[in-house]
Parts: sequence; C-alpha cells; structure tokens
Amino acid sequence: GDSVTQMEGPVTLSEEAFLTINCTYTATGYPSLFWYVQYPGEGLQLLLKATKADDKGSNKGFEATYRKETTSFHLEKGSVQVSDSAVYFCALSDRGNYQLIWGAGTKLIIKP
Amino acid sequence: EAGVAQSPRYKIIEKRQSVAFWCNPISGHATLYWYQQILGQGPKLLIQFQNNGVVDDSQLPKDRFSAERLKGVDSTLKIQPAKLEDSAVYLCASSHGTDQPQHFGDGTRLSIL
Repeated sequence: GDSVTQMEGPVTLSEEAFLTINCTYTATGYPSLFWYVQYPGEGLQLLLKATKADDKGSNKGFEATYRKETTSFHLEKGSVQVSDSAVYFCALSDRGNYQLIWGAGTKLIIKP
Repeated sequence: EAGVAQSPRYKIIEKRQSVAFWCNPISGHATLYWYQQILGQGPKLLIQFQNNGVVDDSQLPKDRFSAERLKGVDSTLKIQPAKLEDSAVYLCASSHGTDQPQHFGDGTRLSIL
C-alpha cells in the first residue's frame, strides 16, 4: 500500500541555518503531497502542498518540489528561525479516496 | 473564519472508565475526520464522515470506540471502556470535501492511568 517515509529526528540547527527535511513516498497512483506543521500543544496546520509532478509548494519561506522520478518531496528553508521549532509531517493523499497517509514526523529544534 | 473547535483540551481518566470528545468543524465543511495520534507517530485515521454518513471506519476499534455526527455538523467520539494504550492525542479535522485540504483542531490529550 501507499506509504510515506521521513528522516528521523530530532533535527537540531542554529538560527539562520539551511534546512532540509527528507520525505520519500510509495504510491501506486499519482498522489497529492503535503507538508503539515505541528507547533507545541497545537493541532496540525497545512504548510504547503503540491498536486502534480514538478509542482513546487511554498509558504512562510518553506519550499518543497514534487519529484516523481525520485518519489520525493523534501522540505527546505533557506534561513530558519527559532519560531520554526515544531514537528513537521509529510503526507500524501491517495486520489482514490483522498485519505491522508502520514509520515512519522520530524522534530525540528532551532537554537538561537 | 473560526477554526475547528475541540473540547476538552486535556482529559485524565482511569482505565475501564468512559470518555467523550467533542468537535465542531469549520462552518460549511461537509467532511469530518477523527484521528488518533500516539506520541512520536503520525496521525492514524479512526473515522471519516461525509455530512452525517460514515465514509470509512475501518481502523476504528468498534468494540470500544464509537462516533456520531447526527446532524452533519458537530461530532462526538467516545471510548468505553478505556485501555492504557488509548493514551494519545485525539485530533478532529474538517474539509469542504474529500479532495480538499484538511483543517485540524488543537486536539484532546487523553491520559489513561
């Protein structure tokens, strides 16, 4: 079945560092891909999405490109801030039933 | 617009007791989801409603979990009786439709003693 694999955390970076969180997926069809963020004590918020190959989703300085050839959707940000500390989830939506398949999450810690 | 509202935020009960969670989705959202999120894991879908009908409850432990959305708006999720392994955050989400992004509430953190 469909699945999502994320790099294990925690990822610890200094403020203004470059961020990459890897996400790869397995799907039989052509899923939509998402990044959600969960700040401490809060629910999940949609960060960005991409619905077809080569699409780039972006929001709040974060970007991710839908790479069909490598089945990847890596999250990047050029300069992280302390306020970016959170857990980041990669997910795919199967076009058959549109249910979300989730990765395990990657905890990001940004130190000042 | 107001977001997805959930209550309570926290609940502590002893095993074998009962507990209920409430969710009010974003106005106009036809699709409502309940997820269970165990610490360190991604959310696991428990049940999906389209209006007041169940679309998918294949991962709902029906011997102890139940959910309803009687008027197609707010929803309740019940656990009876609770087990230690039910300790988790229970998230409610809603969307305009099954092919639209899901919006999440802040969740209910359940601790079973």
